[in-house]
Amino acid sequence: DAGVIQSPRHEVTEMGQEVTLRCKPISGHNSLFWYRQTMMRGLELLIYFNNNVPIDDSGMPEDRFSAKMPNASFSTLKIQPSEPRDSAVYFCASSHGQGYGYTFGSGTRLTVV
Amino acid sequence: QQQVKQSPQSLIVQKGGISIINCAYENTAFDYFPWYQQFPGKGPALLIAIRPDVSEKKEGRFTISFNKSAKQFSLHIMDSQPGDSATYFCAARGSSNTGKLIFGQGTTLQVKP
Repeated sequence: DAGVIQSPRHEVTEMGQEVTLRCKPISGHNSLFWYRQTMMRGLELLIYFNNNVPIDDSGMPEDRFSAKMPNASFSTLKIQPSEPRDSAVYFCASSHGQGYGYTFGSGTRLTVV
Repeated sequence: QQQVKQSPQSLIVQKGGISIINCAYENTAFDYFPWYQQFPGKGPALLIAIRPDVSEKKEGRFTISFNKSAKQFSLHIMDSQPGDSATYFCAARGSSNTGKLIFGQGTTLQVKP
């Protein structure tokens, strides 16, 4: 089992550019979560999917953020246009069933300059 | 109501000592309380978890104490080792239907040799 796979590991982009973060959950897990981690705000839940369907996107900061899960093995988080305050580590996590034993990916460190 | 408050923000312990991290919550609907350990550059990893019908759970050197009436729970690390130096997050599950976890702000633990 390769765990939750995120790409890229690091992303540096200029303000105004579009950024796409990718996540492959663990096979068989039916819940997927996107979190953002910063020193100031800790781990914030952005959005989560259950069986590929977005359940709660109330944590998405604003319309510049969007997430999709076209199938059970792939999800994307897109920021368009990006801003310096979006700089953070973005984690994807998946779980089987009702949230027991989240498995996190290694994260994508995003820097917007 | 949806918050989980964690303290202290940082902790320094001598090798062999006991590390104690505390968390408090308000929402009595929370029904699952995991602790996660995060090393630099990695995603959080599940360490130990407890349900509110149990007052204590022990796994090796790690123990969760749970006080349902006070709505508090804590992580105790016995015989703390330098390898335990990491950031620790408590969390609470908000709904059994979706598995959404609410995380505390995190505690950075440093164990001095």
